[in-house]
Parts: sequence; C-alpha cells; structure tokens
Amino acid sequence: AQTVTQSQPEMSVQEAETVTLSCTYDTSENNYYLFWYKQPPSRQMILVIRQEAYKQQNATENRFSVNFQKAAKSFSLKISDSQLGDTAMYFCAFMKLSGYALNFGKGTSLLVTP
Amino acid sequence: EAGVAQSPRYKIIEKRQSVAFWCNPISGHATLYWYQQILGQGPKLLIQFQNNGVVDDSQLPKDRFSAERLKGVDSTLKIQPAKLEDSAVYLCASTEGPSLGEAFFGQGTRLTVV
Repeated sequence: AQTVTQSQPEMSVQEAETVTLSCTYDTSENNYYLFWYKQPPSRQMILVIRQEAYKQQNATENRFSVNFQKAAKSFSLKISDSQLGDTAMYFCAFMKLSGYALNFGKGTSLLVTP
Repeated sequence: EAGVAQSPRYKIIEKRQSVAFWCNPISGHATLYWYQQILGQGPKLLIQFQNNGVVDDSQLPKDRFSAERLKGVDSTLKIQPAKLEDSAVYLCASTEGPSLGEAFFGQGTRLTVV
C-alpha cells in the first residue's frame, strides 16, 4: 500500500514571501502521479499542480512549483510571492497509473499573514 | 461547465439513525469516488465506481455503509445506523476515467452524529 507523509501540520508565511511544503511517499510502483490539492474553508478541493513520475522536469503552474525527487520519494511544493488567498489546507496525494483513487497525506495548514 | 454537485451541505443526526448523501458528477465523467474526511486528516477513499460498477470498496464499512450509482450517473451514499465516529465531511469526486485527467471535487457534506 502507498503511504503519503506530510511532516508539517502547520506553517505560516508572510505575504509576498516564499514557502515550501514537504511531502514524502512510499511506493513500489515505477509509474504514478503526484498531486498537490488546496482545500480552503469552503471545503472544496482544488487541484494546484500535478506531476507525472515518468517526467524528469518539475511541474510549474504560475507561482506554484514542485521539487520532485523520485529516488528519494520526495515531492515538495514551493509557493512564491505568497498571497492572502493561499491560506488553506494543502494535501499531497499519490495515484497509481492504472485506475486507482487518490491516496492523500494528512495535510499542512498554511497561513499567509499580511 | 457545472461542477460536482453534492447535497445536503450539512446534516446533524443522532447515533443509530440513518442518513443519505447525494452526488451528481460532472457530465460525462465515468469515474466517481466517495471520500471520508475526518477532522484534521486527509480524505480517505470509501468507494470508487467506474460507470455503475464498483472498482474498489475495500475501505467501506459494509456493515453500515452502502453506496450505489444506478445508471452510471449520480450516486448515493448511505449510513445505517450511524455511529459517533462517522462524524466527518463526505466528499464526492469525479474524473473522465480512471487515471484520466484531473479529479474534480464537490463541496462535501459535513455530517455530525450526536
């Protein structure tokens, strides 16, 4: 079974600064997907960024980028130029390629302060 | 494009009562998931449907939980009888197919069992 570990229950960053959220996972699969989801107080999960394990290039979406280290089974999220609207729970998630569901970590609560 | 619709948004019941949640996925999405999110934790898969067939229900407490997806479109999740530990947010998500594209989530139903 795959496990996803987020070791930072809470983090805080000042507006316009950069913050990095950590995620490690355990799997015997070679091909899989990794995701970061954002869950604001409205509870609706929103996809932030996605990484295919067979791609060596790290994914980037505007202010969001990942550092994917396949050998180390590490998948961190960097948020640049943090905004107040980035305040939310952030979940790291793993998915096998062959039709399985998302397997989530416990989440990191991010607070962006003025 | 309409998103994943869930109802009700909130539900409070007494233990041993029954409750049902409804989910209407995005039109054309063949795969539907129900997740349980206990406070302070990441979502945990309860059941995955592919069209109207069950793909994975290994973590569904079948003595009290049931789910169906008649006609491969909308789905209902039922708990009967409810226990205090069932208090959680129940999230529904859908994708075009297994391992295809982004998973879209509804806003969830917050269940409180007293």
